[in-house]
This record gives sequence, structure tokens and C-alpha cells, in this order.
Amino acid sequence: DIQLTQSPSFLSASVRDRVSITCRASQGISSDLAWYQQKPGKAPKLLIYAASTLQSGVPSRFSGSGSGTEFILTIRSLQPEDSATYYCQQRNSYPITFGQGTRLEIK
Amino acid sequence: EVQLVDSGGGLVQPGGSLRLSCAASGFTFSDHYMDWVRQAPGKGLEWVGRIRKKANSYTTEYAASVKGRFTISRDDSKNSLYLQMNSLKTEDTAVYYCARASGTFVFDYWGQGTLVTVSS
Repeated sequence: DIQLTQSPSFLSASVRDRVSITCRASQGISSDLAWYQQKPGKAPKLLIYAASTLQSGVPSRFSGSGSGTEFILTIRSLQPEDSATYYCQQRNSYPITFGQGTRLEIK
Repeated sequence: EVQLVDSGGGLVQPGGSLRLSCAASGFTFSDHYMDWVRQAPGKGLEWVGRIRKKANSYTTEYAASVKGRFTISRDDSKNSLYLQMNSLKTEDTAVYYCARASGTFVFDYWGQGTLVTVSS
């Protein structure tokens, strides 16, 4: 199975800050990585797929980069509504796996 | 508007069975692979399994943790996805989400989730 390790597990930042979350895969997965945002009590929401493609309707302050084993989700100019848990997910091989999540707190 | 509505959750004893349903609307259900993803209370997301479309013979994939106990099926005439869960364990307690796989096989739409509690 492909393990995805996210860092950090918790992040606290202020409005208008720029933050980055890293997702490392235990083996190469090309660009087969997606990012999701989940707010408490809600279903996850797709933000980015194919490592760097922004899902329709997602604000442009979200961006993704990387390939192979290291991927980064960047949120620039943080907004209060970005407070959530973020997950990476690989679709390169079965079983599909998720990272353990990164909780982002807006100060 | 794409909608996925999960139902069928509840309280069940260890060793029992439960069948979850997901009603789809707003898109051509038969054109998409469909998945189940679960989330134990206070924990992260765990993929449960996938069913492909008719063109791919409705074949399925499962996580090791549920293989042999859970069965995913679909009824394209009813735009519905199902998860039959047998031999349930306490560690199966979770919110279960159905999710649509996009053309790039990531989850672009999700149901609202249904809570399954396995407890005596």
C-alpha cells in the first residue's frame, strides 16, 4: 500500500498569511494526487486534482504542486473560511489512500 | 445539480449486518465509477471500495479491512449505489460517505454521510 504522510498535522495562521502543507508518498505516484478540504460535520470537498489542477469553483488562492513523492498544497492570503482539515489522496494504485490530515486553525 | 444522498445507517450489534444506500441525481449515474469512503469518529478518511461502470463489467475493489465482509453493488436503473456490510465489527463504526469518481478518478462529489455505530 502507498502511505501518504502529511506535515504538519496542525497549523495555526492568521488571516492574509500564506501557508503550505506537504504530502509525502512512500513511493512514486506521478501526479496522481488530490487535495480535499473538510469542515466539521461536513463531507470533504475536492480542491485540487492531478497534483496541480484547480477544481472548478475553488478560489484561486489555493494551489498545488509536486510530482513523484512530494506534493505541496499552498493557500495564499488565508481567509477565515479556510479553517478546516485538509487531506491528500492518491489514486495511483489500489488501495486508494489518504493522508492523515492537517488541521488548519485561523487565529 | 449533482446530488448524492446517503441513507441506511444506524446502531447494529457486533456480528450483525446493515445495508447502506446512496441515491444519485443530477448526472448520468451509469457513466461513473462510484466509491464508499468512511470516517471513524474524530479520525481521518478511509477508502472502503469502488464499483466500476457497466462498460467495465461492474468490477469492484475493496480495502483489505473490509474485503470478504462488505459488498458494493449498484442499480443503474434506480441511480442507486449500495454497501452491504456483514460481520460488522466495533472498528467499523464510522460515518460512511458515497462519492462519485470523476473522469480522473478522484472524488468530485460526496454524499452527506450516514453514521453506522457497531456496539453491543
